[in-house]
Amino acid sequence: AQKVTQAQTEISVVEKEDVTLDCVYETRDTTYYLFWYKQPPSGELVFLIRRNSFDEQNEISGRYSWNFQKSTSSFNFTITASQVVDSAVYFCALSDDTGGFKTIFGAGTRLFVKA
Amino acid sequence: NAGVTQTPKFQVLKTGQSMTLQCAQDMNHNSMYWYRQDPGMGLRLIYYSASEGTTDKGEVPNGYNVSRLNKREFSLRLESAAPSQTSVYFCATKRDRGGNQPQHFGDGTRLSIL
Repeated sequence: AQKVTQAQTEISVVEKEDVTLDCVYETRDTTYYLFWYKQPPSGELVFLIRRNSFDEQNEISGRYSWNFQKSTSSFNFTITASQVVDSAVYFCALSDDTGGFKTIFGAGTRLFVKA
Repeated sequence: NAGVTQTPKFQVLKTGQSMTLQCAQDMNHNSMYWYRQDPGMGLRLIYYSASEGTTDKGEVPNGYNVSRLNKREFSLRLESAAPSQTSVYFCATKRDRGGNQPQHFGDGTRLSIL
């Protein structure tokens, strides 16, 4: 069965600190897709990134970076030089092509960035 | 430029009342989903519609029904509301059922059952 674990329930940092949000997944499928979504205090869910299982290249987008490691079944998300606007709940999610109409979400990590 | 529109945004019901949550999209997406979000549990899939004319149960379907009215609209009905259904409900769409497609979410409906 598929499973996504975000062990960090809440993280609190001071502005400009770097922070890493952990995501560990379980799946028996060889082809699968991993996602990160952001839910700011306003409540909407915003797609951030998708990685395919066959592409382990790390990705950087501005202050955001993602580290995908199949050997440890992890897809971690790092925010460099955090800002107050990064305060949100972040969800890691997993889907595949066999049950592709279903996406499994982790429980989320709430990030507080203090000024 | 609406994307995914959910109505209403807030609702308070009494136990036993019925209600329909509406979801409409203008993205021309084929697949639509209903989730509930509860503290510490992430998003759990209630029902989904992989394409127009089909609906299937998700992880937590009990107490709910759905209707895919047309390609644009996917409604969620609570026939006899219970306090355990107090939650935030999100509608989401995908271009198609492919696993590589990201989901696009509405702003949510905050539902309280007294």
